[in-house]
Amino acid sequence: SQQGEEDPQALSIQEGENATMNCSYKTSINNLQWYRQNSGRGLVHLILIRSNEREKHSGRLRVTLDTSKKSSSLLITASRAADTASYFCATDRDNYGQNFVFGPGTRLSVLP
Amino acid sequence: DTGVSQDPRHKITKRGQNVTFRCDPISEHNRLYWYRQTLGQGPEFLTYFQNEAQLEKSRLLSDRFSAERPKGSFSTLEIQRTEQGDSAMYLCASSLPPWVGYRGAGDEQYFGPGTRLTVT
Repeated sequence: SQQGEEDPQALSIQEGENATMNCSYKTSINNLQWYRQNSGRGLVHLILIRSNEREKHSGRLRVTLDTSKKSSSLLITASRAADTASYFCATDRDNYGQNFVFGPGTRLSVLP
Repeated sequence: DTGVSQDPRHKITKRGQNVTFRCDPISEHNRLYWYRQTLGQGPEFLTYFQNEAQLEKSRLLSDRFSAERPKGSFSTLEIQRTEQGDSAMYLCASSLPPWVGYRGAGDEQYFGPGTRLTVT
C-alpha cells in the first residue's frame, strides 16, 4: 500500500475560498514534500517540511506536519483558478535512502 | 520550465519493441530519479542515481527495464520487449545532495515534463 495517502481524492471550490488537503503516511520519515501537477505536465515542488518542523509557510501555502499522527495538511488560501491541479504529498522513509513515495493525489478544481 | 528536460515527449510503439528515453538533469544536480506515473495515480519510484552510481532500484523495475547514467550527467531508461502494461508517463527528476549532516534528508526534486509512452 502507499506510504502517503491524500484526502480528499477530489476537491472543488470557488475562487477566493481556501482549500485544505491532507496526507497520511505509515512509517517514520525524515521529511515530507508537497508537489503540484497540472494536467499532463511534470510535477512542481511546492514546499518541504522536515520531521522536526511543525508548520511552514510559502506565499499562500501553509503546511503542517504532525509526526505523532503521521499526517500533514496543505492549505491554499485565497485560491485562484490557476491553482487547479493535482496535489501530491511525497515522503522519504527513514533508513530507506532516496526511495520517495508519492500518494495518489488530490485533484483540486477552483471554479471562477 | 524546471531545467530538467526529457526526450522524447511522446512515444508510441508496438508491443515487443524496445524503447529508450533520455533525461538531462539540472547540471549541478548529482542525484537523478526515474518514476512511472499512470493515469490518476501518483508517481511510482523506479530507480535513483547519485552521480553515475545506480544506488536504488524498485522491485517494480523488472529485468526488461534498465537505466544508465554513464558520466553522471544525462540518464537513459530503456524498456525492452515492451508490453501494454508499460504504457505510462515516465518522469525524471533531479536534486542536489542532501543537507550535510542531516541523515537521509531528501531535498526538493525538480521534475522534467515526462515522456508519455503508449504501447499498442
